[in-house]
Amino acid sequence: NAGVTQTPKFRVLKTGQSMTLLCAQDMNHEYMYWYRQDPGMGLRLIHYSVGEGTTAKGEVPDGYNVSRLKKQNFLLGLESAAPSQTSVYFCASSYIAGGPGEQFFGPGTRLTVL
Amino acid sequence: AQSVTQPDIHITVSEGASLELRCNYSYGATPYLFWYVQSPGQGLQLLLKYFSGDTLVQGIKGFEAEFKRSQSSFNLRKPSVHWSDAAEYFCAVGPLMGGGNKLTFGTGTQLKVEL
Repeated sequence: NAGVTQTPKFRVLKTGQSMTLLCAQDMNHEYMYWYRQDPGMGLRLIHYSVGEGTTAKGEVPDGYNVSRLKKQNFLLGLESAAPSQTSVYFCASSYIAGGPGEQFFGPGTRLTVL
Repeated sequence: AQSVTQPDIHITVSEGASLELRCNYSYGATPYLFWYVQSPGQGLQLLLKYFSGDTLVQGIKGFEAEFKRSQSSFNLRKPSVHWSDAAEYFCAVGPLMGGGNKLTFGTGTQLKVEL
């Protein structure tokens, strides 16, 4: 049981390049999330999904797109990377519960945009 | 709007000393509260959570937290800190409106342990 995995672990992009971050979970969770973590700002929600084929905007969605074609995978795309998108990106998943279930986090992807 | 405040950005304690990390929240109903820990270069791991019932919650690694509705607080405590507790700690509250079990996270408290 691997939990939540993220690919890649590190990436360096030039301004204007595109890339996709992959998140996979093997816990059969309905909900999945993408966060970015910046110093002094905690975790901020980029996009989230409440099930296969659904996505929704979070707190800071601009410049990102997401897709959830399969229940176990949640992809985060940067179409034209900017230096402001230099950050550590975390994926998380959660189960349906009477209230918010615990979110399980991946190990993160450190992205640098030059 | 829901929010979480962690007033201490950095805290330094000596190994063996007691620890209290503060968390204050703003929430319009009965909150669900969480404490997560992040070791360097790692993802976040759940320490403990409060949904209802007993306001003193026990978690992993010897941590506990107390929910105080009157003070809108959910402070994290440990009686005796170990060097391995050095990490960043995040308080979170939910659920947010709009579904999806979304949480709001505080900005974190960095804990340093002196040997």
